[in-house]
Amino acid sequence: GQNIDQPTEMTATEGAIVQINCTYQTSGFNGLFWYQQHAGEAPTFLSYNVLDGLEEKGRFSSFLSRSKGYSYLLLKELQMKDSASYLCAVMDSNYQLIWGAGTKLIIKP
Amino acid sequence: GAVVSQHPSRVICKSGTSVKIECRSLDFQATTMFWYRQFPKQSLMLMATSNEGSKATYEQGVEKDKFLINHASLTLSTLTVTSAHPEDSSFYICSASEREFDEQYFGPGTRLTVT
Repeated sequence: GQNIDQPTEMTATEGAIVQINCTYQTSGFNGLFWYQQHAGEAPTFLSYNVLDGLEEKGRFSSFLSRSKGYSYLLLKELQMKDSASYLCAVMDSNYQLIWGAGTKLIIKP
Repeated sequence: GAVVSQHPSRVICKSGTSVKIECRSLDFQATTMFWYRQFPKQSLMLMATSNEGSKATYEQGVEKDKFLINHASLTLSTLTVTSAHPEDSSFYICSASEREFDEQYFGPGTRLTVT
């Protein structure tokens, strides 16, 4: 079956750095997405990786290793507003998004 | 960036009535629109995919006669929940893509409460 694994919850301190991991097993691979979702709101797109390596976008970076079925989202200079759930999603061979359950990130002052 | 809107943002309806939710792409033409449902503390569940001018493709377990989807134009898709029941209460989210396999832009969501 298809499976996306990411930690349920993580806690970090304001101003620090946090890495949220995502491992996947899917039928085919056509890219991996990271979304941020604040409670009660729809997910907001953060990044898309289809080739191995690191993609940097401001305070957020996303890394992909296709051979390992692994990705991480790196958040730097954490701010209180970064408290949210972070969703990892993989597009499979049928171009359908397989979603992880999300990682709830709690930022403490 | 691309903007997708949904209307209404919140709706409360009585059991047995029908509710229509609109999804609009404001600054781009959406060939494909997706409808998701989200339960508390769970990830999004894809309900159906609609391509402009054709019938929607429903995911397994989603009743097409209950959740009517119309994608009549490149900027508008509607989801109608017919004969709503309390168990249909949920957060419904749409997303839109310019082309079928492009990045999806999500709408803000519609919270439906059926009393």
